Amino acid sequence: RKEVEQDPGPFNVPEGATVAFNCTYSNSASQSFFWYRQDCRKEPKLLMSVYSSGNEDGRFTAQLNRASQYISLLIRDSKLSDSATYLCVVLLLNNNDMRFGAGTRLTVKP
Amino acid sequence: EPEVTQTPSHQVTQMGQEVILRCVPISNHLYFYWYRQILGQKVEFLVSFYNNEISEKSEIFDDQFSVERPDGSNFTLKIRSTKLEDSAMYFCASSEARGSSYNEQFFGPGTRLTVL
Repeated sequence: RKEVEQDPGPFNVPEGATVAFNCTYSNSASQSFFWYRQDCRKEPKLLMSVYSSGNEDGRFTAQLNRASQYISLLIRDSKLSDSATYLCVVLLLNNNDMRFGAGTRLTVKP
Repeated sequence: EPEVTQTPSHQVTQMGQEVILRCVPISNHLYFYWYRQILGQKVEFLVSFYNNEISEKSEIFDDQFSVERPDGSNFTLKIRSTKLEDSAMYFCASSEARGSSYNEQFFGPGTRLTVL
């Protein structure tokens, strides 16, 4: 089983759509969780950290279910500029090596 | 806004040659990292570095790889004898403190290494 597994996509959605990405992780010792965004041939950039209680940042909502080892990202009212690859990332307790999922590609079309 | 910088942006080398990839982390950061991303594949952790020594490394980071902080600003990744399969984008990252939800790792723009 992969350490971090994501919907492979690609997701092609119209502007204004709501889209949800799922991610599962295999190591129950995973402590911290993130969603990063990566544009084509660019570096990953932090979109948001994921907290146990779930958190929202504007149009973006992240959820964590530790029992199911599942993380999600919801994007509401999607914009053209949301087109990117979304990376699910986990960090083990007392560790620094982030484990990345393979990413889910999103294309938002006019 | 402070940022991580990397040089060169693109390095082309012959198989068997040594390469050094350079990074300047954000100045007040204490933890430094190297990741690689083979074209079309996921980002993979290589090594983390703190207090002038390696704190964690992955199975990818074998004897061909080494890291160094030669002065107060640069952080380098050396590949001693490059192989074709070393061709990838190499990202440097830095963070203020040890990994947690509150300590973001900031990534540099990457160095694309092509081994011929």
